[in-house]
Order: sequence, then C-alpha cells, then structure tokens
Amino acid sequence: DAGITQSPRYKITETGRQVTLMCHQTWSHSYMFWYRQDLGHGLRLIYYSAAADITDKGEVPDGYVVSRSKTENFPLTLESATRSQTSVYFCASSEITGGTEAFFGQGTRLTVV
Amino acid sequence: QKEVEQNSGPLSVPEGAIASLNCTYSDRVSQSFFWYRQYSGKSPELIMSIYSNGDKEDGRFTAQLNKASQYVSLLIRDSQPSDSATYLCAPDSGNTPLVFGKGTRLSVIA
Repeated sequence: DAGITQSPRYKITETGRQVTLMCHQTWSHSYMFWYRQDLGHGLRLIYYSAAADITDKGEVPDGYVVSRSKTENFPLTLESATRSQTSVYFCASSEITGGTEAFFGQGTRLTVV
Repeated sequence: QKEVEQNSGPLSVPEGAIASLNCTYSDRVSQSFFWYRQYSGKSPELIMSIYSNGDKEDGRFTAQLNKASQYVSLLIRDSQPSDSATYLCAPDSGNTPLVFGKGTRLSVIA
C-alpha cells in the first residue's frame, strides 16, 4: 500500500534499553522527519533528512540517533531510553521542505518504564 | 527559533456556529501557512494551506492570512461534532522543516 507506515504502533521498554522505531514511505519523497508529541509541548522536531545519507538535527535531538541509508526508510533509535522519552512519535515525509504538505505516519506510542 | 502561538483551548462552540481559531508566528520570512487537523489518537492531516494575504475558502473552512501582522486564522462555518479535534498551525519559511504550534482543541457541542 502506498503511504507512510510506522512500526511498532505501541512499544513498552525499560529504562536504559535501546529501542528503534521504524518508518517506511512508498512515495519516494526526498524529505523525512521525526517529531515527538507531548501534552503541553505539541509537535517537536527531533531529526530530519533531506535525502539518503543526509540528516540534520531538529529542536530536541539529544538521546536520539537516526540514519537514512535508503530513501524510503528513516529509523529512529533511542540509544538508552529514559522516562522523559515516553511520548508519541510521528514520522512524516514530503517531496521538498517548504511550501508542500507533509504526510504523517500513524504514530508510535512509546512508554519507557 | 521560530515561535508559533495558538490558544490551547478547549474552544467550545455549539453545533452550527462559527469556530474561529487563531495563530501568530514570529518568523517574518514565512511564506506558506498550513492548518492541520488531528483527531484524538490519530496523526495530523492537512486541511488548508494559504500562501497570500487575504482569505482562502474551501467548503466550510476559510483561512485568513495577514503577513504584516504575522497572523493566520481558520474559520469553520456550520461547525459539526465531527470537527471536534485539535487544530495545528504551521508557518513555513520554505527551506526548513515545519514548526507547529501546540494546537487549539476544538469541541463542537451537539
């Protein structure tokens, strides 16, 4: 199916564990983004990527790692999960950045215990 | 760092009324403006975009833009319970990822 998909939809992990959230898009969009959404903070950008092998930090990158070896995939890794990283994570993609719609995945609800 | 301000609400309106959602932004170079709707537990989806000063109408939705005042608004006419959601404003400067406001929660009361 065409679109942008995230996996898993729900994840519970323990403090200190490494966890990877997956994002896959089928549109061949150049740009991909990771946001986190928390009550009272809205959507905040973690990392984004303009193309394969090109990534850049957003507003809240600490504690996260991204990679983009293929245009269609943009995984987000929490190297050592902390409770403050409990959040809903959204992946998004767009053809370009600026002036065009960003399409969002369905989100991953991550709980760190 | 761009700042986007929205009244968090909740904004409660009766069914059939006009809902008015407002957004101010700090980045003077912003050229495009997007309104996203997010239902509870779902992902944001684009409902309106506006690029020029003035009004843009799409069905029951009207976006209004005033770049001089750095202000954009969304009007929803004949509000329906199905419009109950959080509305996110996102000014766009054209060369950086979207920065979203925290959103205004709208509740349409039947």
